[in-house]
Amino acid sequence: KQEVTQIPAALSVPEGENLVLNCSFTDSAIYNLQWFRQDPGKGLTSLLLIQSSQREQTSGRLNASLDKSSGRSTLYIAASQPGDSATYLCAVIKTGTASKLTFGTGTRLQVTL
Amino acid sequence: DVKVTQSSRYLVKRTGEKVFLECVQDMDHENMFWYRQDPGLGLRLIYFSYDVKMKEKGDIPEGYSVSREKKERFSLILESASTNQTSMYLCASSLWGQGLYTEAFFGQGTRLTVV
Repeated sequence: KQEVTQIPAALSVPEGENLVLNCSFTDSAIYNLQWFRQDPGKGLTSLLLIQSSQREQTSGRLNASLDKSSGRSTLYIAASQPGDSATYLCAVIKTGTASKLTFGTGTRLQVTL
Repeated sequence: DVKVTQSSRYLVKRTGEKVFLECVQDMDHENMFWYRQDPGLGLRLIYFSYDVKMKEKGDIPEGYSVSREKKERFSLILESASTNQTSMYLCASSLWGQGLYTEAFFGQGTRLTVV
């Protein structure tokens, strides 16, 4: 059974810092990995999707990398801002599971002034 | 922009009531999903559908059923609501095309309270 772990569970950083969020998964047979953001009481917003054949994806200040062989992905946030405060979730689609996402438990990020 | 719309942001229902949660997507996606999210347990898949009238159980289908009569609409039904079904419910959709799964998009969530 695929298990997805995110470390740390919570993180507080001052504005302007660069930071890295980690996601690890136990089964490397995945189609893709997706990073989401969730604000309190809201739905999930898609940030980046990495297909299994790709190594990384970039969008603005966000960069996500994928290392299938080691079962790891990282989300890099450059020059953090208070508006980045949210919970960040990673999810994988395992090969042969008909596009079902398996989620990690998330990293709660607070960026302080 | 892809839009996934859930019919209600907040619902309060009584124990034993039959509850319908509706979800509509506007991007002609084949796949649609219902998750519930609880503190400490994360997101868990209840049911998903990969085509009209097709459905598959997820990890926690007990006490739920679904309906997909049209491609754009996926309904979650709580046959007889119970207090342990108080949760945040999230609907999602995604496309299966060209041999690759594309991004999953989520609705805004429905906070259901069963009293």
